[in-house]
Amino acid sequence: DIQVTQSPSSVSASVGDRVTITCRASQGIDRWLAWYQQKPGKAPKLLIYAASTLQSGVSSRFSGSGSGTDFTLTVTNLQPDDCAIYYCQQANTVPYTFGQGTKLEIK
Amino acid sequence: QVQLVQSGAEVKKPGASMKVSCKASGYTFTGYNMHWVRQAPGQGLEWMGWINPNGDTTYARKFQGRVTMSRDTSINTAYLELRDVRSDDTATYYCARDNSWYFFDYWGQGALVTVSS
Repeated sequence: DIQVTQSPSSVSASVGDRVTITCRASQGIDRWLAWYQQKPGKAPKLLIYAASTLQSGVSSRFSGSGSGTDFTLTVTNLQPDDCAIYYCQQANTVPYTFGQGTKLEIK
Repeated sequence: QVQLVQSGAEVKKPGASMKVSCKASGYTFTGYNMHWVRQAPGQGLEWMGWINPNGDTTYARKFQGRVTMSRDTSINTAYLELRDVRSDDTATYYCARDNSWYFFDYWGQGALVTVSS
């Protein structure tokens, strides 16, 4: 199975800051990677797919980049509503696997 | 608008079977794959498998032999059945629509299944 490892496991930043979360796959997955945001008690929400395609309706403050094994999610102009857990997911090979999550807190 | 509405919370005894439903609306049900993802309390997300528009299924190896995914196209509903449940199957089970790229663009609200004697 392809392992996906996120870092950091948690990050704290201030309103208006820029935050970057990384995801590393255990083998090359081309651009078969997505990013999700999950708030407490809610289902995950798709933010980015195919490494860098912004899901319809998602703020342009979210962006993704990378290919192969290394990927990043960047959130600019951080807002209080961005407080959540962020997961990456690879869709290159079954079983599709998720990173362990990054908890984003607002200072 | 696209909606996936799941069945309610359940409590099951070890060794029993569970079955969660996911009723879709707002799109052509038979045009998209449906995936199932679970999340144990306080833990991360775990993909379980998917069913395609033809009814063909692909399951994660971990669940093969215990899981069945099915759908009833007459009522736009997908089902997840897990047999011989144990305490570590306690989780919120989500259905999620495939956006045609094997990513999940719409999710159900989740169904908490608790396995306890």
